[in-house]
Formats: sequence, structure tokens, C-alpha cells
Amino acid sequence: ETGVTQTPRHLVMGMTNKKSLKCEQHLGHNAMYWYKQSAKKPLELMFVYSLEERVENNSVPSRFSPECPNSSHLFLHLHTLQPEDSALYLCASSRSPAGGGEETQYFGPGTRLLVL
Amino acid sequence: DQQVKQNSPSLSVQEGRISILNCDYTNSMFDYFLWYKKYPAEGPTFLISISSIKDKNEDGRFTVFLNKSAKHLSLHIVPSQPGDSAVYFCAATGRNDYKLSFGAGTTVTVRA
Repeated sequence: ETGVTQTPRHLVMGMTNKKSLKCEQHLGHNAMYWYKQSAKKPLELMFVYSLEERVENNSVPSRFSPECPNSSHLFLHLHTLQPEDSALYLCASSRSPAGGGEETQYFGPGTRLLVL
Repeated sequence: DQQVKQNSPSLSVQEGRISILNCDYTNSMFDYFLWYKKYPAEGPTFLISISSIKDKNEDGRFTVFLNKSAKHLSLHIVPSQPGDSAVYFCAATGRNDYKLSFGAGTTVTVRA
């Protein structure tokens, strides 16, 4: 248990559906992240939030829409996804998005998404 | 463009022996390196890290070595235990950069 929870753990959706992934951290951290992990590929950073403000958007398609209502919660809203978006979506948090990476990122268990 | 590479997708080792995982990077601005471990159905968990001012960091059975001139780091697990069977990710970042660049992972299987 890392102190970062994600729901749902598994999600199957059609290309016309709208769904949301939820992440919650219980660590008192101020930075939160969304990553995508496709099969046999490195984790790809999607979004970074620091104190509820988005500080990074890694050229992610607009069909992925993040929301950070407070420093403990992070959402990823999904709409009109494509089958190639099927992947493991991981949320992480750290005390701050400090330089040098010395602020260790703690990951949630991920949401396994399948787009049909 | 993948800046962190783990060229061995899998490693099988006998219990009690040493596991050596390798990682190469291309970005000379990286100055902090981490290893994460991931079990199935769980997120990655931080294992050990090293700053570029050091060439070795040890924590129990885990030791990370950094060779800056070769842009190479390795993780040694001694002795390997069945519970070490997992996917290991190498990650790197630079000063004033909160982004972690990850390798694709190495799946370690420890045989009894």
C-alpha cells in the first residue's frame, strides 16, 4: 500500500463512451502525475499537476482531459478513445515536483483500460 | 526518442545467486537515477536511487552502480530471493526537471 489509490482497477469502454479515472493520494503530497504504460513500453508521462495547477502536458490528445480539484485528487476524463489507447494508466504523487527527481514519486496500482 | 534503455527484457536467476540488471541512458543532463520494482496488478514502488555525485549506493541486498562516463547504471541484487521476481524499471531525471524518463523494464524471475 503506497498511499495512492486508483479506481476503477479495470475498465472496458467503447469508443463512443465517456468515462473517468480517479486517483486519490493520502500522503499530503502537492504534486500528482498521470502516466500511460503500453505493453512492453516505458511509462510515458501524460500530465503533471503542482498545487492543483497543471505544469506539464506532454502533447496528449484532447480526448484525455485531466482535472485536479484539490491536491489529494486527480481525475482523467476519457471520451471518444481509440483502441490504441488501451493501456495501464498509472497515477503518482510526490511532495513537490522538485528538481533533480529527488522527490520520490509514489505510484497507485493503475487502471487497466481496454477500448473496444 | 527513448532516453533510458533497458536492453534485456528478461532475466532468470537461481535463488541465492546475484541478479544484475543493466540500464543505459543518452541524456547527459540526467543527474539522478532510480530503480522501481513492479509486481503484477500493483503500481511501481521505489527501490533505490543514486545521485550523479556518487558511483555506488547500497541498501541491504540492493546496490546500484553508476558509470557516468559510460552513461550506464546497474542494479545488483544479492542474494536473489523468490520475492524479488518482478519487473524492474530504471528511471532518470535531471536537475530542475520533475519528469522521470523510464526504461521499458526487465522482468526478473528467481528460480527456487
